[in-house]
Amino acid sequence: DAKTTQPTSMDCAEGRAANLPCNHSTISGNEYVYWYRQIHSQGPQYIIHGLKNNETNEMASLIITEDRKSSTLILPHATLRDTAVYYCIVRVAAGSSNTGKLIFGQGTTLQVKP
Amino acid sequence: KAGVTQTPRYLIKTRGQQVTLSCSPISGHRSVSWYQQTPGQGLQFLFEYFSETQRNKGNFPGRFSGRQFSNSRSEMNVSTLELGDSALYLCASSLTGTTEAFFGQGTRLTVV
Repeated sequence: DAKTTQPTSMDCAEGRAANLPCNHSTISGNEYVYWYRQIHSQGPQYIIHGLKNNETNEMASLIITEDRKSSTLILPHATLRDTAVYYCIVRVAAGSSNTGKLIFGQGTTLQVKP
Repeated sequence: KAGVTQTPRYLIKTRGQQVTLSCSPISGHRSVSWYQQTPGQGLQFLFEYFSETQRNKGNFPGRFSGRQFSNSRSEMNVSTLELGDSALYLCASSLTGTTEAFFGQGTRLTVV
């Protein structure tokens, strides 16, 4: 079972920041938070990941709470092309029997509206 | 750098037949994972290969199998196809299996 909880759907106005929350209250110390998105019928696209520090790349920012029990993916200026299903995944680091395995939940369907 | 390539993109098979899907990972990546995506079950992990060895397996029947070659390319095979095997089959590659994974566009299998 997925170790994360996400809202089923969210709307965002084009040009505004999209803030997608994720709850992972049972996360272990050696587990990372990964975000992927999937645009209709395409393969999931890697967005960003982090352990405990906030992370930023050209696509998004990831804010992880100090207790690591939740995180927020921020798309700073959402466009219509950001409409997709966003998956928050908790993933083990090296040395686990679950290496190579991503457990997907149902994700959040983000609808960016003009 | 080329991405993950899956072939074929679309496939139609008849119940009872078998099918082989191919995945070419990103150059240098040694881990290849396979996933099945259906509307009812979402994205589900099938198995993962690293250096030609299966390291991890999901909860699928033995009709689903795979292998990895010395150049890290991977194939998955489904024997005795059932209607319920109709799905989008995705593969993902990563350097070691614990770093970020990159997905291909998938193979859409329809069983009739």
